[in-house]
Amino acid sequence: DSGVTQTPKHLITATGQRVTLRCSPRSGDLSVYWYQQSLDQGLQFLIQYYNGEERAKGNILERFSAQQFPDLHSELNLSSLELGDSALYFCASSEWDDGDGYTFGSGTRLTVV
Amino acid sequence: GNSVTQMEGPVTLSEEAFLTINCTYTATGYPSLFWYVQYPGEGLQLLLKATKADDKGSNKGFEATYRKETTSFHLEKGSVQVSDSAVYFCALSRSGNTGKLIFGQGTTLQVKP
Repeated sequence: DSGVTQTPKHLITATGQRVTLRCSPRSGDLSVYWYQQSLDQGLQFLIQYYNGEERAKGNILERFSAQQFPDLHSELNLSSLELGDSALYFCASSEWDDGDGYTFGSGTRLTVV
Repeated sequence: GNSVTQMEGPVTLSEEAFLTINCTYTATGYPSLFWYVQYPGEGLQLLLKATKADDKGSNKGFEATYRKETTSFHLEKGSVQVSDSAVYFCALSRSGNTGKLIFGQGTTLQVKP
């Protein structure tokens, strides 16, 4: 157990639907990062939050949004889902905001049918 | 822009063979460099890191040296085991105030008994 908890582990949903992925960071970590892992694009950075505030944004689609709550857990919302959104979504956390060694969760596998 | 290039896999070795996985990078400033490992069905785990030129990161028999002159961070292990079979990712973190990691495409290592 890495200390970063992601739920659910698996999600199957239909095109056009909306889902929410949840991440609880390791105790004491203030930064949360979201990554998308797909076969064709590899690991792509989506977004980072640090202590409740958005810190960096990557190749995140407008249909996707995220937030970090006061208890530091984070949610990634994916809407108007398309087949191409099928991927593994990883959350990671770190103590500070400098990326000096993340702890990754085990991921949520999203399948859009 | 900033990028990481890894040797293509899969790499197939016999147990106790010597391992090298090449990684080169392009970056502005002075990035930190990382190797992460992903075992089947799991999230990524930090294997080792180096934060400045000529630093050597090491862990579990794996080593990598930050070579600024050749912009490389090759992963090596003197004697691989079956349990080392996994996907290995090279990554960089740009200097600055975000923790975004840029990953290479990953190299699959298969070690046969």
